[in-house]
Amino acid sequence: SQQGEEDPQALSIQEGENATMNCSYKTSINNLQWYRQNSGRGLVHLILIRSNEREKHSGRLRVTLDTSKKSSSLLITASRAADTASYFCATDVLGNAGNMLTFGGGTRLMVKP
Amino acid sequence: DTAVSQTPKYLVTQMGNDKSIKCEQNLGHDTMYWYKQDSKKFLKIMFSYNNKELIINETVPNRFSPKSPDKAHLNLHINSLELGDSAVYFCASSQGLAGGRETQYFGPGTRLLVL
Repeated sequence: SQQGEEDPQALSIQEGENATMNCSYKTSINNLQWYRQNSGRGLVHLILIRSNEREKHSGRLRVTLDTSKKSSSLLITASRAADTASYFCATDVLGNAGNMLTFGGGTRLMVKP
Repeated sequence: DTAVSQTPKYLVTQMGNDKSIKCEQNLGHDTMYWYKQDSKKFLKIMFSYNNKELIINETVPNRFSPKSPDKAHLNLHINSLELGDSAVYFCASSQGLAGGRETQYFGPGTRLLVL
């Protein structure tokens, strides 16, 4: 199974609502990143949170990390139709050389106008 | 002025053929990667190169041979294509060697369909 697994696999909300996506991982990490992928496009980095951080903000994004539960969440507030995309978490596993990211399977978010 | 570019964008070919995908980054990064994204959207690293040297090879069949002529380019050659090779292949780059601790910049992907 994947090191990072997102939940839910798919999420559909109305514009203006908040969207929360969760990521669970199995092995202790150095840091965790969230990426976004628009349909037919490459991935775009959103935010990186280190293992000694608990929360990080970037605009309408809020990421939390709970290393005791091996989980992270991505919250998008006041969602817009343009937020429709797949969102992936990626982990840098503790103990490796720091040169590899392991991705989860993604959450497909649809924001209806 | 695209940061990470790949060619071709689409590739449709017959089983057994040999094909290449090219990647170039103009970010001045030292490390480049190839990822494979399957039909279920799982993204898995295949290779990474740092300054033209192979760093990661994630048990990819040796039909796949990456080549890095310089640190701005990382090409992927695939011999004897199989149906299971159908996927989207993404190239990415990061500034230093610690790609797991840095932002990775992705290309637009190459959609490979093997018939």
